[in-house]
Amino acid sequence: NAGVIQTPRHKVTGKGQEATLWCEPISGHSAVFWYRQTIVQGLEFLTYFRNQAPIDDSGMPKERFSAQMPNQSHSTLKIQSTQPQDSAVYLCASSSTGANERLFFGHGTKLSVL
Amino acid sequence: TQTVSQSDAHVTVFEGDSVELRCNYSYGGSIYLSWYIQHHGHGLQFLLKYYSGNPVVQGVNGFEAEFSKSDSSFHLRKASVHWSDSAVYFCAVNYGSSGNKLIFGIGTLLSVKP
Repeated sequence: NAGVIQTPRHKVTGKGQEATLWCEPISGHSAVFWYRQTIVQGLEFLTYFRNQAPIDDSGMPKERFSAQMPNQSHSTLKIQSTQPQDSAVYLCASSSTGANERLFFGHGTKLSVL
Repeated sequence: TQTVSQSDAHVTVFEGDSVELRCNYSYGGSIYLSWYIQHHGHGLQFLLKYYSGNPVVQGVNGFEAEFSKSDSSFHLRKASVHWSDSAVYFCAVNYGSSGNKLIFGIGTLLSVKP
């Protein structure tokens, strides 16, 4: 079991460019979460999928951010027209059923917007 | 607003000391509480959780936490820390009404000196 895999580990983009972050959850897990981590804000919930369906995206900025889960084996977080304030570590987590179960986190993708 | 607070940003102890990391939450009905640890450059790892039953729960590596409804607390404890316990510790809450997402505290950095 390789755990939750996130790629790339580091991504550097220029202001205004698009960034796509990838997450491969643990096989068999039906719940996938995305969080953003910064020094100032800490861990912020972004969005949650269960059985590939979007359940709660209340933490997603309404513009420029989108998340998808086209199949059981991966989810993507896309940020259009990246801004310096988007710089953060983006963490993906999966669990067997939902938020009341243990979450398994990936190592995160560190996004730096220049 | 449902929140979770960790009052200590940084705790420093010596190896072999006991330690208590504090976590308080705003009460909102049914509640699920957990603690996670994050070593530098890595994702979060699960330590323990509480939902119901015995208010003292045991976790990995000798950690335990105690739920107190009267104090709205879920403090994490360890009787004898090791240098490898140096990390950031996050308390997390999932309120029944919010259902689908863990809300994390700001984290407590534990530094263990040899």
